[in-house]
Amino acid sequence: GAGVSQSPSNKVTEKGKDVELRCDPISGHTALYWYRQRLGQGLEFLIYFQGNSAPDKSGLPSDRFSAERTGESVSTLTIQRTQQEDSAVYLCASSSRTSGRNEQFFGPGTRLTVL
Amino acid sequence: ELKVEQNPLFLSMQEGKNYTIYCNYSTTSDRLYWYRQDPGKSLESLFVLLSNGAVKQEGRLMASLDTKARLSTLHITAAVHDLSATYFCAPWGSGAGSYQLTFGKGTKLSVIP
Repeated sequence: GAGVSQSPSNKVTEKGKDVELRCDPISGHTALYWYRQRLGQGLEFLIYFQGNSAPDKSGLPSDRFSAERTGESVSTLTIQRTQQEDSAVYLCASSSRTSGRNEQFFGPGTRLTVL
Repeated sequence: ELKVEQNPLFLSMQEGKNYTIYCNYSTTSDRLYWYRQDPGKSLESLFVLLSNGAVKQEGRLMASLDTKARLSTLHITAAVHDLSATYFCAPWGSGAGSYQLTFGKGTKLSVIP
């Protein structure tokens, strides 16, 4: 079956521009996560969606970052007025609560470079 | 807030040798996950440890969980070059917000012929 997909795979933008990153979770997975991974670093939690519940936005680093998800489908992460420190790989993951394992499956990531 | 410490962060080992990676975490968690990441790639799930005393093995890797000690180990037996990657542990618990995975900084493993 299809795994988690993300687009674009690479994005180069100029400082101050807005960017949108997309994530398609595994079909039927109710939970969706966004993480940021800076070069050589671990994963930094950004935001979590679970079904129709209010998202957990506690990891968003500033109000320039926002994310949306329609139901249990696609999610978009938007970064406004990008800064050079936003350069990182943005990873999306989804999981199914019904299995009880809560195992997260990751997409290939979007590498964002802010010039 | 759940904090995760992995050690070592960097590990260079010869083929054929054994070694253990340690993952300590700060607050109660009853389950823990191990992931592998190859350079330039995404994360691949290795093990899901769902209870105290859980032990899982796959090939040359074996993971265990001691929830009382808040410790998980990833043991490498007779390392081969293909195991070179970065390994992350992630206990399930309350991070800054809801219950979710909190990742360690990762252990970068290099297996030298």
